[in-house]
Amino acid sequence: QKEVEQNSGPLSVPEGAIASLNCTYSDRGSQSFFWYRQYSGKSPELIMFIYSNGDKEDGRFTAQLNKASQYVSLLIRDSQPSDSATYLCAVPLPYGGATNKLIFGTGTLLAVQP
Amino acid sequence: SAVISQKPSRDICQRGTSLTIQCQVDSQVTMMFWYRQQPGQSLTLIATANQGSEATYESGFVIDKFPISRPNLTFSTLTVSNMSPEDSSIYLCSVPGLAFSTDTQYFGPGTRLTVL
Repeated sequence: QKEVEQNSGPLSVPEGAIASLNCTYSDRGSQSFFWYRQYSGKSPELIMFIYSNGDKEDGRFTAQLNKASQYVSLLIRDSQPSDSATYLCAVPLPYGGATNKLIFGTGTLLAVQP
Repeated sequence: SAVISQKPSRDICQRGTSLTIQCQVDSQVTMMFWYRQQPGQSLTLIATANQGSEATYESGFVIDKFPISRPNLTFSTLTVSNMSPEDSSIYLCSVPGLAFSTDTQYFGPGTRLTVL
């Protein structure tokens, strides 16, 4: 089992719909989770982080964490064509390690159709 | 978040040569990270660069191939040595987040390397 897993997509949604991106992780001790957005040819940009079970909302973005299921998701409401990008899930592994190493999933390519 | 710059932004190199990539941060940070992103792939950590000590390399990466310098708290270099076409990738440096938590990371713009 990979340490951080994502469906590579592409995930295609119509403009205005909700895009749902999913990520699972292997280390049950993980406490913090990050979502990065990467436009083609650009570097990753941190858009959300979550530490507690439940939902965290920031504008059109909602991160959801379920530690019992080792599952974290990102919802994008009212999707716009400008949201079309690759979304990377990242987890510090091992948690509490001295190097704060981030392990990335393979990323999910989101395409929002106008 | 910190402002991070990298040089060069892109380069095309010949097989067997070496390229040194520079990463500059506008604030002092203890750790800097170097990642590789091969075409169509996700990010893989190459090494962690700590000021005043040797870099810590991840499995599959060795110092002879990817020597790293960290002369001060705002600067680091990564050298890709004896390059082959398989080294064609985007190389990214990152630093820990300062405002929210030290386990977030912020990335520089990247260096796109093509090896012929």
